[in-house]
Amino acid sequence: GENVEQHPSTLSVQEGDSAVIKCTYSDSASNYFPWYKQELGKRPQLIIDIRSNVGEKKDQRIAVTLNKTAKHFSLHITETQPEDSAVYFCAASGYSTLTFGKGTMLLVSP
Amino acid sequence: DGGITQSPKYLFRKEGQNVTLSCEQNLNHDAMYWYRQDPGQGLRLIYYSQIVNDFQKGDIAEGYSVSREKKESFPLTVTSAQKNPTAFYLCASQNGANTEAFFGQGTRLTVV
Repeated sequence: GENVEQHPSTLSVQEGDSAVIKCTYSDSASNYFPWYKQELGKRPQLIIDIRSNVGEKKDQRIAVTLNKTAKHFSLHITETQPEDSAVYFCAASGYSTLTFGKGTMLLVSP
Repeated sequence: DGGITQSPKYLFRKEGQNVTLSCEQNLNHDAMYWYRQDPGQGLRLIYYSQIVNDFQKGDIAEGYSVSREKKESFPLTVTSAQKNPTAFYLCASQNGANTEAFFGQGTRLTVV
């Protein structure tokens, strides 16, 4: 089955800095890679996703890159703000179920 | 107001008792999922159902059971066979594979 590794497990940055979270996957058949944000005590919510026919996707301060050859994808957050503090999960999916990474706790200090 | 609703938000049970967690969605999604979330472990798939009256085991199905008698509902029973049931349980639905997963607000189960 699919295996998704996510790093780092925690990330502390100063407000205004950039943050990068990296994930690797094992199944070359995976073709859908979403990122979810989970604030403390709340449900995970999709923030951005990318499909295997695209190398990069941006949405305001958030971007995701995908390297299919190396089987890794990354989340980039620029100009971080305190409200970006949360746990971020990457996931990979082929034809049925999502496999999630273990999560990254991002702490943005004012 | 469309969405996916889990109940209750908090649940306390004694060891050895079965307990059922509710999950209802009005998004008209065919696929529904149950995940378990433990600190530092991410979301692990317990069971999923892609159509009414059919469901499949996920990665950690032992000690759990589900039913899918209606499209809108996918209840999860945590049985006494589950060795470490204390966790945060999340239900989700998707409108087909490789689409956005919509999550419920979760149920925190504590076994005492």
